[in-house]
Amino acid sequence: DIQMTQSPSSLSASVGDSVTITCRASQGISIHLAWFQQKPGKAPKSLIYAASSLHSGVPSKFSGSGSGTDFILTITSLQPEDFATYYCQQYTAYPYTFGQGTKLEIK
Amino acid sequence: EVQLVESGGGLVQPGGSLRLSCAASGFTLSSYWMSWVRQAPGKGLEWVANINQDVSRSHYVGSVTGRFTISRDNAKNSVYLQMNSLRAEDTAIYFCGRITCAYAQCFYDYWGQGTLVTVSS
Repeated sequence: DIQMTQSPSSLSASVGDSVTITCRASQGISIHLAWFQQKPGKAPKSLIYAASSLHSGVPSKFSGSGSGTDFILTITSLQPEDFATYYCQQYTAYPYTFGQGTKLEIK
Repeated sequence: EVQLVESGGGLVQPGGSLRLSCAASGFTLSSYWMSWVRQAPGKGLEWVANINQDVSRSHYVGSVTGRFTISRDNAKNSVYLQMNSLRAEDTAIYFCGRITCAYAQCFYDYWGQGTLVTVSS
């Protein structure tokens, strides 16, 4: 199975800050990488697919990059609604696997 | 508007069975792969199973293989997850997800709100 490792596991930031979350795959996955946002008690929300493509309706403050084994999610100009848990996920091979999540908290 | 609405969760004893349903609307179900993903209390997301458009292919995470069966009825706009021989570690919120295939890739785009399954005596 392909293991996905996110760092950091938790992150504190202030409104207006920019943050980056990294995701590393245990083997190459090309650009078959997605990012999701999840708020407490809610379903995941799809943000990015193909490592860097934004889903329709996702604001451009979210951006993704990377290929192979190393990927980055960047969120600029943090607003209160952005504080949530973020997950990466590989879909290059079964079983699909998710990172353990990065909890973004307000400082 | 795309909507996915799960149902069928509840409390079940270890060794018991449960069938989850996902009602799809706002799109043509027969055009999409569909999926189940779960989240144990306080834990991260775990992929459970996928099924293709015409039910000719399905895939499962190892921990549920032989116990869970994903199925669909495109005419009823529904996807199902039959869960047998349930264990305490199957306790989770189960989310239904739609998979879009484009640009030679298949990725999640829409999710349901989830249904809670609790396995306990």
